[in-house]
This record gives sequence, structure tokens and C-alpha cells, in this order.
Amino acid sequence: QLQLQESGSGLVKPSQTLSLTCTVSGGSINSGAYSWTWIRQPPGKGLEWIGYIYHGGSTYYNPSLKSRVTISVDTSKNQFSLKLGSMTAADTAVYYCAREPAGMGHFDDWGQGTLVTVSS
Amino acid sequence: EIVLTQSPGFQSVTPKEKVTITCRASQSIGTSLHWYQQKSDQSPKLLIKFASRSISGVPSRFSGSGSGTDFTLTINGLEAEDAATYYCHQSSNFPYTFGPGTKLEIK
Repeated sequence: QLQLQESGSGLVKPSQTLSLTCTVSGGSINSGAYSWTWIRQPPGKGLEWIGYIYHGGSTYYNPSLKSRVTISVDTSKNQFSLKLGSMTAADTAVYYCAREPAGMGHFDDWGQGTLVTVSS
Repeated sequence: EIVLTQSPGFQSVTPKEKVTITCRASQSIGTSLHWYQQKSDQSPKLLIKFASRSISGVPSRFSGSGSGTDFTLTINGLEAEDAATYYCHQSSNFPYTFGPGTKLEIK
């Protein structure tokens, strides 16, 4: 049974960089069968796709966030990570990691999500 | 960017009722449309992929239809546990986008 678990800083000061990690258990992140994705949801609002990383390290980011986002993978730890720079209050959200069967477009497994608050 | 709109935004329904939620895309997306259910304080759960394809473990009362720009999620015989917000999501074009959600309240 695949499990994804987010971890990282829950409180970030304005202008600082958010760092989150998603640990994958019950399966290998190095499989070429999946892309690994970050999605966020501001409190009481809808879902926003941030971007993904695919086997081999290729990435694709939402253009609205592209200048501030980096997604990377650490296969030795079976983890992938999100960095989002220049944080503002508008970035306050629950951040989810998720799995996409490669090229299929849908997300078949999600982490439980972690709330990130931007505040001084 | 492809914009998805959903209707209704909110619906109060009684158990056993048939519920229909619609999702409309700003341009044709074929069948690259997926549906998720999000219960309070939980992560979203995949219900339907590629407009109409069922997901293992999802009750058969959930079904989807549509192609192009107009899509429908149907719940036949609503149950109390179906209280949730439902989102459509398109994967035809980057960036992937989601609809604003439809909140179902059970009377």
C-alpha cells in the first residue's frame, strides 16, 4: 500500500523560502511509471497544481509559480521536495504531495497534506 | 490556461436522491477530465478518471460522462457519507487546473 507523507516548515516568514519533503513508502520513487506532484489549497478555497517531477528529474511547473518553484527528488531516501521562494500571505495553504501515473494526468494517491502559514 | 467551471457551487440534498454535478471547460479537452471527492479535513480522493472510467474501490453509485467541454458527475442513490466537496480536474493542457468545487450538504 503506497503512502505519501509531507513534512517540513509549518510557519514561514514573509519573503522566506518554504521547504517541504514528501516521503514515499510502499513503493519506489525511482519507478518510471509515475510522476510526483505538489498541489496546494488555501484555507477554504480550491486546489492549485504547483508542478511535478518525473523519473530522470524532468520537471514541469505552473507558470504562475514557475519563477519561485523548484521540485527535486532524492531517490536514495525515496523522497521528493518542494521549495517555494519569496513567500507571501497568499501562499498560506495546505500543501499536498501526490502521485500521477506517468502521462495519465490524474492523481491516484495523495498525502494527508500539511498546513503552511506565512506570517511574521 | 484552461478554466473549469462547476455547477452548482452548493447543493443541499436528501439521502437516496440522485445528484448531478456539471463541469464545463473553457476549451475542448477530449476526455482528459477527472473527478475527486474531498471530505472535511481530508485530502482529495480520485473518484472517476478520463471522464467516465471507474476507479477500483469507489462505490458504483458514482459515475461520470461527457467529452469535449461538458462533463457530468452523477451520484445515484446519495448516502450520508457522500457529504463532501467535489472537484473536476483537467489534464489536457498544462498547467493542470481544477474546478472551483461543488459542496454537497446532506439534509
